Amino acid sequence: GAVVSQHPSWVICKSGTSVKIECRSLDFQATTMFWYRQFPKQSLMLMATSNEGSKATYEQGVEKDKFLINHASLTLSTLTVTSAHPEDSSFYICSAQGSGEKLFFGSGTQLSVL
Amino acid sequence: QKEVEQDPGPLSVPEGAIVSLNCTYSNSAFQYFMWYRQYSRKGPELLMYTYSSGNKEDGRFTAQVDKSSKYISLFIRDSQPSDSATYLCARMDSNYQLIWGAGTKLIIKP
Repeated sequence: GAVVSQHPSWVICKSGTSVKIECRSLDFQATTMFWYRQFPKQSLMLMATSNEGSKATYEQGVEKDKFLINHASLTLSTLTVTSAHPEDSSFYICSAQGSGEKLFFGSGTQLSVL
Repeated sequence: QKEVEQDPGPLSVPEGAIVSLNCTYSNSAFQYFMWYRQYSRKGPELLMYTYSSGNKEDGRFTAQVDKSSKYISLFIRDSQPSDSATYLCARMDSNYQLIWGAGTKLIIKP
């Protein structure tokens, strides 16, 4: 089946630094990628949708200047958390969609901001 | 009212029992439903997806959609401890966005 690789799995950073998370589709071209955030004991919350070659569409309440999304190719999307603060600590998950309707998820990134 | 309602549990059953996980939805515009399983600290994995009413079976798993009552179910036969996870139902809208339930934590006791 289709595989989505998300890296890194864990990251610890100091407050004020920026963190980049990569999401790659390994065996298919992902025309659309989604970024989600999951706080403990809560369901996944969609942050933004990105289509290859165009600007990401952010959900209400998500700061686009803080969560920079780049989808420069059909196999790679990146989420950069800029000037991270402890309240940004969360589990971030990407998903990718090819020509069909199925979504395939990455394994997630646990971000801890000290 | 949330578009997709799901009891967060936890639901605890003995090994070998039949498990029934349920969700209700309120928007009928686009009826593509999915069940995901998520182990702790891992991304969700797609178990099954269904379109329209009826049953769909895959091994020990059966997904059922009842459009008249706006009810979707996932049944697990011969449950195993390895089935212990959080199960999320989702409805896909016409923009391919997923509307998620809160997830039900399932515990299978050996």
